Amino acid sequence: SQKIEQNSEALNIQEGKTATLTCNYTNYSPAYLQWYRQDPGRGPVFLLLIRENEKEKRKERLKVTFDTTLKQSLFHITASQPADSATYLCALYTGGFKTIFGAGTRLFVKA
Amino acid sequence: SQTIHQWPATLVQPVGSPLSLECTVEGTSNPNLYWYRQAAGRGLQLLFYSVGIGQISSEVPQNLSASRPQDRQFILSSKKLLLSDSGFYLCAWSPGESTDTQYFGPGTRLTVL
Repeated sequence: SQKIEQNSEALNIQEGKTATLTCNYTNYSPAYLQWYRQDPGRGPVFLLLIRENEKEKRKERLKVTFDTTLKQSLFHITASQPADSATYLCALYTGGFKTIFGAGTRLFVKA
Repeated sequence: SQTIHQWPATLVQPVGSPLSLECTVEGTSNPNLYWYRQAAGRGLQLLFYSVGIGQISSEVPQNLSASRPQDRQFILSSKKLLLSDSGFYLCAWSPGESTDTQYFGPGTRLTVL
């Protein structure tokens, strides 16, 4: 069956450290993969998109990698801040109008 | 710039009552529109999408329906709510020529009692 999994429901790190979130998928061949941020009680906000022919994408303190052989994407936040605390969603575009979202990883950054 | 609105923000309804959630988009024309439901600890579930006025595609059979009476208006409805309809409902749009990045509204928290 098709699955998309994000690592551990919650991740706790110290301010200033690098947060690394994992997204693994099976039985998909996504054209691209996206990461969204969601704050409690709010809608997701788009952060980054990486295509299947791209290995890495960066935006300010954010970095995303995409390994289609491992079927995995890693999302890094460097020099993390308490304001980075949120839930981060991985999403796979699988064709047509269908995007499959993971359940998300809650990130807590302690001051 | 584009903005997306949803209302109401929260709603508490009894089982068996009707539902109408509204979503409007400003600052763009002919957007693709989507309704998602998010249950606690679960990923977003695509319920409906629309590529134009009156064009609705359903992804999950259920007692919900959607309509698009105007280009930038998307409505989610039910004639009789079930307990299992409780959740966080999100409307999203993407540019008409693209289906990749979606932009989400603030959401509606629905509790069915």
